[in-house]
Amino acid sequence: AQSVTQLGSHVSVSEGALVLLRCNYSSSVPPYLFWYVQYPNQGLQLLLKYTSAATLVKGINGFEAEFKKSETSFHLTKPSAHMSDAAEYFCAVSDKPGSSYKLIFGSGTRLLVRP
Amino acid sequence: NAGVTQTPKFRILKIGQSMTLQCTQDMNHNYMYWYRQDPGMGLKLIYYSVGAGITDKGEVPNGYNVSRSTTEDFPLRLELAAPSQTSVYFCASRPKGGGMGEQFFGPGTRLTVL
Repeated sequence: AQSVTQLGSHVSVSEGALVLLRCNYSSSVPPYLFWYVQYPNQGLQLLLKYTSAATLVKGINGFEAEFKKSETSFHLTKPSAHMSDAAEYFCAVSDKPGSSYKLIFGSGTRLLVRP
Repeated sequence: NAGVTQTPKFRILKIGQSMTLQCTQDMNHNYMYWYRQDPGMGLKLIYYSVGAGITDKGEVPNGYNVSRSTTEDFPLRLELAAPSQTSVYFCASRPKGGGMGEQFFGPGTRLTVL
């Protein structure tokens, strides 16, 4: 069965520092992987997605993620954190084909940005 | 397009009361989903639908019911509210197509059961 593990429930960085949010997945088939962001008191918004077209995926707001099959990872990075990046981030994997495209979510990582 | 809309935004229920959480999408999406979000737990799937008249259970369906009479609407019903159902509820939709398609989320309903 598909699963997602996000290491670190909270990550704190200084403004301007590198952001690295970790995501490891388990999947018996080539996965479709997603990163969503949730700002306070809002719904989830898609940051980026991996669909096998390219291993380095660029998303909105300067974020990108690299798919590494050998490490079963899909870590999210941003070179320079901004105060407005403070939010909760969820990694998700699409369930196996024929399962109505259900998403399996990780438990989330809250990003704190210090001035 | 309004996207996915949910009502109400907030609600406080007493134990044993019932209510319906409304979800509507105007993107003509076939697939719709209900999730609950508990602190530190990510999102758990409650029910989903692949089209009008077709629904199925997700990971945590107990205590909930759904119906899908139209493509646009996917209400979630709580019959006998319990404190364990205190959570934030999100509705999502996605179009028909391959697994690479993203889900579009509504703004959520924050429910407290006392």
